[in-house]
Amino acid sequence: QVQLVQSGTEVKKPGSSVKVSCKASGGTFTTSSVSWVRQAPGQGFEWLGRIMPMQGKANHAERFQDRVTITADKSTGTAYLELSRLRSDDTAVYFCANEDMSMVNYFDPWGQGTLVSVSS
Amino acid sequence: DIQLTQSPSALTASVGDRVTISCRASQTMNIYLNWYQQKPGKAPKLLIYAASTLHSGVPSRFSGGGSGTDFTLTISSLQPEDFATYYCQQSYTTPLTFGQGTKVEIK
Repeated sequence: QVQLVQSGTEVKKPGSSVKVSCKASGGTFTTSSVSWVRQAPGQGFEWLGRIMPMQGKANHAERFQDRVTITADKSTGTAYLELSRLRSDDTAVYFCANEDMSMVNYFDPWGQGTLVSVSS
Repeated sequence: DIQLTQSPSALTASVGDRVTISCRASQTMNIYLNWYQQKPGKAPKLLIYAASTLHSGVPSRFSGGGSGTDFTLTISSLQPEDFATYYCQQSYTTPLTFGQGTKVEIK
């Protein structure tokens, strides 16, 4: 089964950008889709978008449309989430997750999470 | 967007108890409903997909049911390792959305 390993904690200033990586074990994607989900401190989950790594096709939640860029490098088996114009309420743990789309889409497994802290 | 409302938001139970968590959707979505367990500081783990299919390796004390707008997650006999927060999630349409969570605590 694929395992996903994410990059480390990021501390950013408001207005800046952050790029988080998610590497598939073995360096290649066998998954059909990778989604990005975030969880603010003590809160629930919010889906940001997904990418089909082998096709390079991505789509994003509408509320993040102009700030989120999701990409993938299939040669290294790595997906990326870039979030621009950061605000303090973007402080959250960001997870990537393999999205099985064979029947009813579900997330399994998840990466370990990356804390992004936005503060002046 | 599909809103998912879980109830209760929290519950206190004892080892061996039967526990049921509800998830209600703002619109019908067939069986496109999944359940996850999350422990503090960890990533969520998939328990149930397609409303009632037990994910590989998940103990059989977990079960899911429902379709349309009303879904349930049941733990037949609560074990010490089951104290965690549980989330439902819909995959019927984007944006994919989650319930607000149900925290299961020890009595």
